[in-house]
Amino acid sequence: QKEVEQNSGPLSVPEGAIASLNCTYSDRGSQSFFWYRQYSGKSPELIMSIYSNGDKEDGRFTAQLNKASQYVSLLIRDSQPSDSATYLCAVTAYSGAGSYQLTFGKGTKLSVIP
Amino acid sequence: SAVISQKPSRDICQRGTSLTIQCQVDSQVTMMFWYRQQPGQSLTLIATANQGSEATYESGFVIDKFPISRPNLTFSTLTVSNMSPEDSSIYLCSVVLITGELFFGEGSRLTVL
Repeated sequence: QKEVEQNSGPLSVPEGAIASLNCTYSDRGSQSFFWYRQYSGKSPELIMSIYSNGDKEDGRFTAQLNKASQYVSLLIRDSQPSDSATYLCAVTAYSGAGSYQLTFGKGTKLSVIP
Repeated sequence: SAVISQKPSRDICQRGTSLTIQCQVDSQVTMMFWYRQQPGQSLTLIATANQGSEATYESGFVIDKFPISRPNLTFSTLTVSNMSPEDSSIYLCSVVLITGELFFGEGSRLTVL
């Protein structure tokens, strides 16, 4: 059973601070890693993809991947109240004959306090 | 990314009726999935929509209750049959691009009375 674990939160940070969201996964064969943002009542929106060890930056967002530790994180710099949402970690594995399996964590609820 | 059109965006239905949700993508995709998300809960995969063949259902979901069609690469439908209040949920179409990234449609919010 492939698992993706996230702290459910809520994680509260003051406006302007760095929010750090963490995710661990069980399948060492996982190949692609994604972060989604979901506002209440809306569908999830893909905000970051990362495929290799290290950091990937996009604006105020940085994704960090450590395959040896089976750990992926999302940092949000200069957090804004508009960042308040649930953040979903997702991990994929391809398993023969083009089979694609995407496993989602249950999400971390982030609240940015003005 | 891809533009995913899902309709209806919301509906209120009577118990015992059926509703078909449509999903149209503006580009070719490798895979299409249907998810359900009940209020305050995480995403649950219903099935993989296979082009030209029967969908692959996850544990707990059956074809009689959730028939799915995918006649071509860019279009799929999900029917919620013989609805009960327990079926009230958001139903999400999702697609995988050649990059391996998965995108969601806007969702269809279903309320069953």
